[in-house]
Formats: sequence, C-alpha cells, structure tokens
Amino acid sequence: GAVVSQHPSRVICKSGTSVKIECRSLDFQATTMFWYRQFPKQSLMLMATSNEGSKATYEQGVEKDKFLINHASLTLSTLTVTSAHPEDSSFYICSARARTGEDHEKLFFGSGTQLSVL
Amino acid sequence: GNSVTQMEGPVTLSEEAFLTINCTYTATGYPSLFWYVQYPGEGLQLLLKATKADDKGSNKGFEATYRKETTSFHLEKGSVQVSDSAVYFCALSQAAGNKLTFGGGTRVLVKP
Repeated sequence: GAVVSQHPSRVICKSGTSVKIECRSLDFQATTMFWYRQFPKQSLMLMATSNEGSKATYEQGVEKDKFLINHASLTLSTLTVTSAHPEDSSFYICSARARTGEDHEKLFFGSGTQLSVL
Repeated sequence: GNSVTQMEGPVTLSEEAFLTINCTYTATGYPSLFWYVQYPGEGLQLLLKATKADDKGSNKGFEATYRKETTSFHLEKGSVQVSDSAVYFCALSQAAGNKLTFGGGTRVLVKP
C-alpha cells in the first residue's frame, strides 16, 4: 500500500531553535496534507491543512508564524516549528490524501515525530 | 464543535480475550465514523468505518456499529492476538473529504 514517510521520528532541541519535520508521500501524489499534534493523554488535534502550491489553512488557535507549513510539491510537505519552546513539546503527525480513490480510504499517515524542547 | 471521546488506556489483555474499546462522539447531523490503528513505529491505518446509522464496519476480526441513539461507535474483537497490540483511534468526519476529528487514542497490549 501507499506509504507516507515522516522524519525525524524523534527530535530533542534547545529552546529558541527551529525544527523542521518532513512528510513525504513515497509512491503517490498528495494534493492535500494534514498536520496534527497530540499532547499526552489528549486527542490528536488538527493544526493545519495544506494544499500543493497554496498557503496552508490553519485551525483556530494555531499560530501561523510559529508553525510554518510548506507544501511545495505533490510529494512533500514540511512543518517548521520556529523558535521552539518547551510548551511546543508534543507528538506531531502528518497525513496525505491521494489524488484519486474514495476519500478516507486513500488517506495515509506518517509514523509521527516526537518533539522535545528543553 | 465536534468531539470524540474514547476510553483511556492502556488496556492489557491476555491472548484470546475479548476486547472492547468505547468511543462516543458529539457532532451535528450524521458524521462518518472511523477506527484507525497505529502499530509500533508505523503510521495510522484505517481499520474500519461506518457512514450511516446502524452500519457495521468490520475488518481483521474487529467490528464497530454506528449507534446514532447513543452516539457511540465501540470497537470490539472476540479473540485478540499479540499482533493486535497497538494504539487505536476513534475518529469522525462531517462530510466526505472533510477533516477528521480524533479521540485521544487507546493503547492496547496483548500478552501471550
């Protein structure tokens, strides 16, 4: 089946630095990618939706300038956490929707990135 | 807004035991309901879904029935295996192609 590769799987960084997370669809083209965040013992929360070649649509309460999303091609979307702080420590996961097929059966997820900000 | 609530884990079971993971939701209208599974080190995968009331989704021995009257979509499996150890997420969407709203996930550990 289709594979979404997400890297890195785990990252530890110092407060104030920026971290980039990549999400790649390996064998299909993804018109839309979604970025989620999960705090411990809480729900997986949608942060933003990105469409190839256009600006991302952010959910209410998500800071656009802090979480920069780039979807420059049909196979790659990146999430950059800028000037990270300890409260940004979380589990981030991406998903990609294939161009064709029944919608939710063609939605594929990465394995997630655990970000720890010291 | 929409929300999904599922039982907290971890749930620890012996092989061949019966598994139930409760899931309830809040949404307007008639959302589609899903169960996703995440095996260690992998991405979430769609396990099963139901798109209207009284529909039963099933896959790999797992079943869930869309209960409109109780706004629930509980996941069940009659006899679990060690390979079923994973995190299970209940989710809903308001319309085809729309974004998903997830529950918090339930970790299941099946011991031999």
